[in-house]
Amino acid sequence: RKEVEQDPGPFNVPEGATVAFNCTYSNSASQSFFWYRQDCRKEPKLLMSVYSSGNEDGRFTAQLNRASQYISLLIRDSKLSDSATYLCVVTRVSSNYKLTFGKGTLLTVNP
Amino acid sequence: DAGVIQSPRHEVTEMGQEVTLRCKPISGHNSLFWYRQTMMRGLELLIYFNNNVPIDDSGMPEDRFSAKMPNASFSTLKIQPSEPRDSAVYFCASSLNRQETQYFGPGTRLLVL
Repeated sequence: RKEVEQDPGPFNVPEGATVAFNCTYSNSASQSFFWYRQDCRKEPKLLMSVYSSGNEDGRFTAQLNRASQYISLLIRDSKLSDSATYLCVVTRVSSNYKLTFGKGTLLTVNP
Repeated sequence: DAGVIQSPRHEVTEMGQEVTLRCKPISGHNSLFWYRQTMMRGLELLIYFNNNVPIDDSGMPEDRFSAKMPNASFSTLKIQPSEPRDSAVYFCASSLNRQETQYFGPGTRLLVL
């Protein structure tokens, strides 16, 4: 089983839609969690960290469920500019804080 | 501020040739990471350095791959000899320290024919 698994996607949604991405991780010792965004033919960039209490940044909400080893990202009122691949990332001390990436979910927001 | 700089941005070579990828991390960052991204395997960490010292090279696929960091502002990833299955996008990233946010360079697209 892969350490980080994501929805296979792709997701195609209209502008203004709400879309949710899910991610599961297999190592219960994982300590830090992130969502990265990668535009087509570009480098990954940190979108937001994910905290146990859940956190919000504008239209983006991230949730963590440690008991279920599950992470989610919710995008409200989606924009054309949200079209990208969203990567779920976990790390832990025992791996020297190595970032382990999911394969990503492609989102296309259509006009 | 300059971000992570990688060169070349594109490389096309023939099987058996030596390939050298270069990276200049963000000034002041102590940790440097080399990743490889393919459709099949996604983004994988190859090796990372802390204060110019290799800490974890468990992701380096085989002896054909080697990486060096002779000083705080430069690193290389070398493949010798290259094979078609090495075709991928290679990213370099740096961070203040290994626990902080990693900033990725634009990547080198490598095609081995």
